[in-house]
Amino acid sequence: DTAVSQTPKYLVTQMGNDKSIKCEQNLGHDTMYWYKQDSKKFLKIMFSYNNKELIINETVPNRFSPKSPDKAHLNLHINSLELGDSAVYFCASSQDRAKDGYTFGSGTRLTVV
Amino acid sequence: AQTVTQSQPEMSVQEAETVTLSCTYDTSENNYYLFWYKQPPSRQMILVIRQEAYKQQNATENRFSVNFQKAAKSFSLKISDSQLGDTAMYFCAFMMRGAGGSYIPTFGRGTSLIVHP
Repeated sequence: DTAVSQTPKYLVTQMGNDKSIKCEQNLGHDTMYWYKQDSKKFLKIMFSYNNKELIINETVPNRFSPKSPDKAHLNLHINSLELGDSAVYFCASSQDRAKDGYTFGSGTRLTVV
Repeated sequence: AQTVTQSQPEMSVQEAETVTLSCTYDTSENNYYLFWYKQPPSRQMILVIRQEAYKQQNATENRFSVNFQKAAKSFSLKISDSQLGDTAMYFCAFMMRGAGGSYIPTFGRGTSLIVHP
């Protein structure tokens, strides 16, 4: 069983649309994250939730809204998609605030056309 | 703000040989954590090795080992007996506890490693 699973793996959509990416972890971790990897492979944290509480909220447009219904799920909703949102989005989870490192999902490649 | 520098955008090595990837970081803190992650063409990010700054002993995981030089703020990754499956992007990451108790990571730009048969 996949430890951190995110869906969909690929998402192609038009500018202006609203889309969601779902993430689930079965590791029993208490913290989940969303990362964005741009076309140059630069990886940057967007959000982090610890036991359903938002603890990290980096400088991200408010068109991006994370939602955590429980500590095993962290979804990412994006409104009014723009060309610059095209990237690979990674979900990750960790125990104890990631001092032991992250377990990443396989990524969602979002392409906005 | 912390910075992480990987000065080698690309490297290549012959199968079975040893290669070292460099990473330097800038911080005024004393307690922090360092990581190497691997991203093969499959896109999956995989934790390779971690090091706690307060531990002087270099971390080792099978063929992967680090050379942690705290005073020099250097954290290089050595891959011994390179295998074709080691072909990947390698990311160095620094993490420390910030205001409010959260750990916010900083990733380097990555080094693309190609292992040739």
